Amino acid sequence: QKEVEQDPGPLSVPEGAIVSLNCTYSNSAFQYFMWYRQYSRKGPELLMYTYSSGNKEDGRFTAQVDKSSKYISLFIRDSQPSDSATYLCAMNAGNMLTFGGGTRLMVKP
Amino acid sequence: EAGVTQFPSHSVIEKGQTVTLRCDPISGHDNLYWYRRVMGKEIKFLLHFVKESKQDESGMPNNRFLAERTGGTYSTLKVQPAELEDSGVYFCASSRMTEFYGYTFGSGTRLTVV
Repeated sequence: QKEVEQDPGPLSVPEGAIVSLNCTYSNSAFQYFMWYRQYSRKGPELLMYTYSSGNKEDGRFTAQVDKSSKYISLFIRDSQPSDSATYLCAMNAGNMLTFGGGTRLMVKP
Repeated sequence: EAGVTQFPSHSVIEKGQTVTLRCDPISGHDNLYWYRRVMGKEIKFLLHFVKESKQDESGMPNNRFLAERTGGTYSTLKVQPAELEDSGVYFCASSRMTEFYGYTFGSGTRLTVV
């Protein structure tokens, strides 16, 4: 069983839609929870990180962590075509990041 | 500030040959990491340097892989001899000493072994 599970998609939505991306994990030791965005032929770019359970908001993006359920989410409001990318969840219990497989998101104009 | 630089961006080599990947981290970042993504799999940790010292190399697949970090600056990852299963994208990332999140990744080196 993988430590971090993420639906690969692809997820296709119309412009302006609310997008929900999710990951589940099995390792209770994970402390930091991150969301990365990756465009084609580029490296992962950090979008948001959270340290504990709860919500964190940054502009159109909201990250949620539920440690009791071992479940994290990223919500994107008013999605734009420029949001089309692969979204990776990642988490760590030290310096080493454990990634999900990534969800490919396509936002259609 | 300049980002993490990796080169080459793409390398195609024959099985049995040697390839060296290079990573230049962000200036002042003591932590340097190598990760790899093979086709259809997740990005996986290879190893972690703190300055010039290997802190954790538990992700290195076998002894055909050798990583070095000269003087705590740039790092190289050598694969010798390369095998078909080594094909994938190799990412380098760096962070400040006390950061356990927010690593800055390079664009990666796409390695194809034929």
